[in-house]
Amino acid sequence: AQTVTQSQPEMSVQEAETVTLSCTYDTSESNYYLFWYKQPPSRQMILVIRQEAYKQQNATENRFSVNFQKAAKSFSLKISDSQLGDTAMYFCAFMKHAAGGSNYKLTFGKGTLLTVNP
Amino acid sequence: NAGVTQTPKFRVLKTGQSMTLLCAQDMNHEYMYWYRQDPGMGLRLIHYSVGEGTTAKGEVPDGYNVSRLKKQNFLLGLESAAPSQTSVYFCASRNRTGGYNQPQHFGDGTRLSIL
Repeated sequence: AQTVTQSQPEMSVQEAETVTLSCTYDTSESNYYLFWYKQPPSRQMILVIRQEAYKQQNATENRFSVNFQKAAKSFSLKISDSQLGDTAMYFCAFMKHAAGGSNYKLTFGKGTLLTVNP
Repeated sequence: NAGVTQTPKFRVLKTGQSMTLLCAQDMNHEYMYWYRQDPGMGLRLIHYSVGEGTTAKGEVPDGYNVSRLKKQNFLLGLESAAPSQTSVYFCASRNRTGGYNQPQHFGDGTRLSIL
């Protein structure tokens, strides 16, 4: 079974600064997918960024980027130029690849509460 | 443009009561999921469905039942509610096609309190 660990329950950052949220995972799979979801106070779950394990290049989406270290099983999220609207709970999630069909199940970490201060 | 709609948004039950949470999606998605979110625990998968008429157990299925009689609806039932089932419940759906990169689309959650 896969496990996802987010070791930082809470973090804070000043507006316009950069912050990095950590995520590690444990799996015996060689092919899988990793995601970061954001949950603002409104409770809606929003996909932030995704990474395929077979791709060496780190994914980027505007101010959001990841540092994917496959050998270390690490998948950190960097938020540049933090904005007040980035205040949210951030969840790291894992999905394994299943040849011949998949149920696309996600395994979530426990989350990191990020507060952006003005 | 409703996406995933959960009904109700809030509910308070007494121990032993039963209720059904409804999840409806209008995106013609094949896959649907029920999660619970507890403080410090993240989201945990209760049950899921890969298509109409099929359901399967997730990580924490005990005390819950589900049904997928129609493709657009996924019902989560609590037959005899217990205080340990106090939680926020999320429904999600995704398309069969598009590969692994397709995101799950989430509803806004149902806050359920069992007294």
